[in-house]
Amino acid sequence: DAGVIQSPRHEVTEMGQEVTLRCKPISGHDYLFWYRQTMMRGLELLIYFNNNVPIDDSGMPEDRFSAKMPNASFSTLKIQPSEPRDSAVYFCASSLAGSQGSPLHFGNGTRLTVT
Amino acid sequence: AQSVTQPDIHITVSEGASLELRCNYSYGATPYLFWYVQSPGQGLQLLLKYFSGDTLVQGIKGFEAEFKRSQSSFNLRKPSVHWSDAAEYFCAVGAGNAGKSTFGDGTTLTVKP
Repeated sequence: DAGVIQSPRHEVTEMGQEVTLRCKPISGHDYLFWYRQTMMRGLELLIYFNNNVPIDDSGMPEDRFSAKMPNASFSTLKIQPSEPRDSAVYFCASSLAGSQGSPLHFGNGTRLTVT
Repeated sequence: AQSVTQPDIHITVSEGASLELRCNYSYGATPYLFWYVQSPGQGLQLLLKYFSGDTLVQGIKGFEAEFKRSQSSFNLRKPSVHWSDAAEYFCAVGAGNAGKSTFGDGTTLTVKP
């Protein structure tokens, strides 16, 4: 089991540029979550998918953020245009419904810095 | 709506001392409860979980937690802390099959030599 894989690990970009974060969930998991972590706001749920369908995107900060899950093994989180306040660590997590409380399995995150 | 409170932002203990991290939750039904640990530069890793049965659950790295319904608590304990336990600890309540968890703000543990 390779775990949840995120890329890139670090991303530095200039304000106004488009940023795409990638995630490969654990094979067989049917839920996928995107979280953002900052010192000020802690761990925030941005959006989650069930069987590739977005279920709740109420945590997405604004229209500059979008997420897709074209298939069961891949998801992207896109920010366009990026702003300095988007600087954070973005985590992807996956889980298996009904699996003893469905604990989350996290990737190692993407540290985004927008200058 | 579900919520989680971790009253202690930062705790410092000496190596070898015992540890208890507090967690209080609010949830309308029988909760699924989790503790995760996050080391610097890493994602969150599951320490232990409670979803039914015995209210004292054992986890990895020598941690345990006790579910107390009457107090709406799920405190994490370890009898003897090691320097490698220094990390941030998150309590979470989940909605079971819905897969969505609500996290507390975390408690940062510092271990003194």
